[in-house]
Amino acid sequence: EVQLVESGGGLVQPGGSLRLSCGGSGFIFSSYSMNWVRQPPGKGLEWVASISSSGSHIQYADSLEGRFTISRDNAEKAVYLEVNNLRDEDTALYYCARDLGGLRGWIDPWGQGTQVIVSS
Amino acid sequence: IVMTQSPATLSVSPGESATLFCRASESVRSRVAWYQQKPGQPPRLLIYDATSRATDIPARFSGSGSGTEFTLTISGLQSDDLAVYYCHQYNEWPRAFGHGTKVEIK
Repeated sequence: EVQLVESGGGLVQPGGSLRLSCGGSGFIFSSYSMNWVRQPPGKGLEWVASISSSGSHIQYADSLEGRFTISRDNAEKAVYLEVNNLRDEDTALYYCARDLGGLRGWIDPWGQGTQVIVSS
Repeated sequence: IVMTQSPATLSVSPGESATLFCRASESVRSRVAWYQQKPGQPPRLLIYDATSRATDIPARFSGSGSGTEFTLTISGLQSDDLAVYYCHQYNEWPRAFGHGTKVEIK
C-alpha cells in the first residue's frame, strides 16, 4: 500500500521557521516527483512546491516569495519543506503528495497532512 | 492559469445526477484532474487527463472536456458523495486548483 506520512508541523510565532517532513512507503520513492500542497482552515487547495525524482528540478508557487525550500533524500525516502519567515497567512494543513504522469502530472495519493499554525 | 469552478454549492437528491463545471483561463489541453475531499480527509484522485478514472473509482464518476471547459458528472448520487470537489490543471507551471464545488445531499 502506498503511504505518505507527514510530520514537523506545529505552533510557531510570526517570523519563525519549521521543517516539514514526509516519508513515503509502498512504492519506489526515487522514481517519483513529489509535491507539497497546503489548505488554509476552511479554504481550498493551494499548490506550494514540486521536486523531480532526482531533485534536479524544483518549482515553487510565486506567492511564497522565496521563503520556502523543498528538498528530498531518496535514500531516506523522504521529502522536506523548510518554511521560513512564517506569516499568519501560512497557517494551513500541509499535504505531501506524489506526482503521477511525470513531473507536473496529476497527484495521487495524498498524505493526511501536518498542521502549521502561525500565531503570536 | 486560473481555474474557475461552478457552482460553488450544488444540492442534489440521492439517485440524481450532479454536474460540476471547471473553466480554465487558457487552454490546458486535457491535463486536468478532479479530486474529492470529504470532511476531515485528504483529497482523493477521481479523474486524470480529463476523462480517465483513477484506480477503484466507480464508473458513476465521469469526466469530460478539453481545452478550457471541463465537466465532472456524478451519476446516481449517493449520500457518501457528500464532499468538496476540486479541479486541477497540470499543463503549465504553476499548477493550479479551482476553489471547489461543495456537493450537498438533499
